[in-house]
Amino acid sequence: NAGVTQTPKFRILKIGQSMTLQCTQDMNHNYMYWYRQDPGMGLKLIYYSVGAGITDKGEVPNGYNVSRSTTEDFPLRLELAAPSQTSVYFCASIPGDSLQPQHFGDGTRLSIL
Amino acid sequence: SQKIEQNSEALNIQEGKTATLTCNYTNYSPAYLQWYRQDPGRGPVFLLLIRENEKEKRKERLKVTFDTTLKQSLFHITASQPADSATYLCALASGNQFYFGTGTSLTVIP
Repeated sequence: NAGVTQTPKFRILKIGQSMTLQCTQDMNHNYMYWYRQDPGMGLKLIYYSVGAGITDKGEVPNGYNVSRSTTEDFPLRLELAAPSQTSVYFCASIPGDSLQPQHFGDGTRLSIL
Repeated sequence: SQKIEQNSEALNIQEGKTATLTCNYTNYSPAYLQWYRQDPGRGPVFLLLIRENEKEKRKERLKVTFDTTLKQSLFHITASQPADSATYLCALASGNQFYFGTGTSLTVIP
């Protein structure tokens, strides 16, 4: 049972480049989330989705885009990478509704130089 | 402004003692609160959930309390072991969103 899978695990980008962080879950969960974690800052919600075709902004959406064409996949797109986007990115999912624990992937460590 | 604060960035305790971690929040009205464990280089792993109308929850050596008047949750690990060393995060659920504290790094000394 794979759970939540994130790729790549590590990436170095140059300023202005673009890339897509991949997130896939095999638990048939409706809700999916993208967070960034900076040292000493905790996790901040970037975007979330409550089902295929539905996405919403979180606390820190600027500079990012998402799409949700299937239940399984929730990619995060950086269009013009900036040094401020250097962080560890985590994807998470829950079945739906509330009172459910989040299942996290192991993160993508992104450095922008 | 909204804030979630967890007590001191780092907590060191002797093996066998009880570790108590604090999560304080302001300007939130969470429906429930969760605690997660995070090991270096890994994603957070769910430990316990407590609803706003519950005072206390237990799971093996773990206990969580939730006081909505004080806007505080306490997380206890009894009979602590070196394997409990990790960072512990609290998360508030409000609507469809989750808001995380900055985490407390716990080290259990043998």
